[in-house]
Amino acid sequence: NAGVTQTPKFRILKIGQSMTLQCTQDMNHNYMYWYRQDPGMGLKLIYYSVGAGITDKGEVPNGYNVSRSTTEDFPLRLELAAPSQTSVYFCASSDRTSGRKNIQYFGAGTRLSVL
Amino acid sequence: GESVGLHLPTLSVQEGDNSIINCAYSNSASDYFIWYKQESGKGPQFIIDIRSNMDKRQGQRVTVLLNKTVKHLSLQIAATQPGDSAVYFCAENTNAGNMLTFGGGTRLMVKP
Repeated sequence: NAGVTQTPKFRILKIGQSMTLQCTQDMNHNYMYWYRQDPGMGLKLIYYSVGAGITDKGEVPNGYNVSRSTTEDFPLRLELAAPSQTSVYFCASSDRTSGRKNIQYFGAGTRLSVL
Repeated sequence: GESVGLHLPTLSVQEGDNSIINCAYSNSASDYFIWYKQESGKGPQFIIDIRSNMDKRQGQRVTVLLNKTVKHLSLQIAATQPGDSAVYFCAENTNAGNMLTFGGGTRLMVKP
């Protein structure tokens, strides 16, 4: 059981480039999340999704886009990368069916540098 | 806005001692709390959770205490081991929210 899988693990971008961070989960969880974690800091929510076709903004959505076409996948798109987007990005999922607790399971992260 | 915070950014303990990591929260509507452990280079890992209708919950070597009167949450680790060295985050879930709000984290360092 793989859980939450993120690719790539590392990436270096030039300013102005774009890329997609991939996230997939095999636990059939309905909720998925994207966070960023700056060095020595906590996690900040970028976007989340409560199910296929439904997404919503979190605390820091500017400069990012998401889509949720399937239950399993929740890609994060960076358009016109900026140095301020240098961070570690974590994807998470949780099973919120029937009022279940919001225990989120995290992937290993994608370390992104924008130079 | 309301948020979750931590008292101590770094905690250094001797191997075998007990550790206590603290967290203050300000949202009285929060109904559920989680502690996560994050080892270097890895994603956060669930440790233990507690609902707001409980004061204490125990797991294997870990105990979470909730004091709703002063809006305080703590994680106690018994007989701390080198493998416990990590950053620990508390997170709160609001009654109507779909999100967890994370605190800034406390780094636990275990000295041999």
